[in-house]
Amino acid sequence: NAGVTQTPKFRILKIGQSMTLQCTQDMNHNYMYWYRQDPGMGLKLIYYSVGAGITDKGEVPNGYNVSRSTTEDFPLRLELAAPSQTSVYFCASSTRDRENSPLHFGNGTRLTVT
Amino acid sequence: TQLLEQSPQFLSIQEGENLTVYCNSSSVFSSLQWYRQEPGEGPVLLVTVVTGGEVKKLKRLTFQFGDARKDSSLHITAAQPGDTGLYLCAGARYKLSFGAGTTVTVRA
Repeated sequence: NAGVTQTPKFRILKIGQSMTLQCTQDMNHNYMYWYRQDPGMGLKLIYYSVGAGITDKGEVPNGYNVSRSTTEDFPLRLELAAPSQTSVYFCASSTRDRENSPLHFGNGTRLTVT
Repeated sequence: TQLLEQSPQFLSIQEGENLTVYCNSSSVFSSLQWYRQEPGEGPVLLVTVVTGGEVKKLKRLTFQFGDARKDSSLHITAAQPGDTGLYLCAGARYKLSFGAGTTVTVRA
């Protein structure tokens, strides 16, 4: 039982390049989330999904896209990378969207855009 | 501006000392979670408090939810180097909102 797995662990992109951050979970959780973490700013929600085929925007969705074709996978796409997207990205999952449902996080992807 | 303000931002103490981390807001939350994050890893849930005035203990860690459900504290007794990490609070109000975190360093 691996939990939430994110790849890659590190990536450097040039401005304007595109990439997909991969996230997969093996806990059969319906709810999945993408957060970014910047120093001194906490975790900001980018996008979330309540089940396969359903996604919605979080607090900071601009510059990102997501898809959810299966329960297990929730990839995050950056189309035209900008320096402001330099951050650590975390994927998380939970059993259901009760307000106090605990989140299970992956170990993050550290992205640098230069 | 953060919905949840955590203080202090950084805390460095000697092994064996006690410490308290605070999580404050002007908003009321239905519940509050505390996570610990170690370098290179994702946050891991420590506890969820749901009732105003609730106190939960997890070995040397004591969590308290304020009576008005607007604030919370985490107290660590006799801190150990293994307690080093980033402590995050997250309040539930429709969705989870995270504080910026307190970085705790316990020196051996």
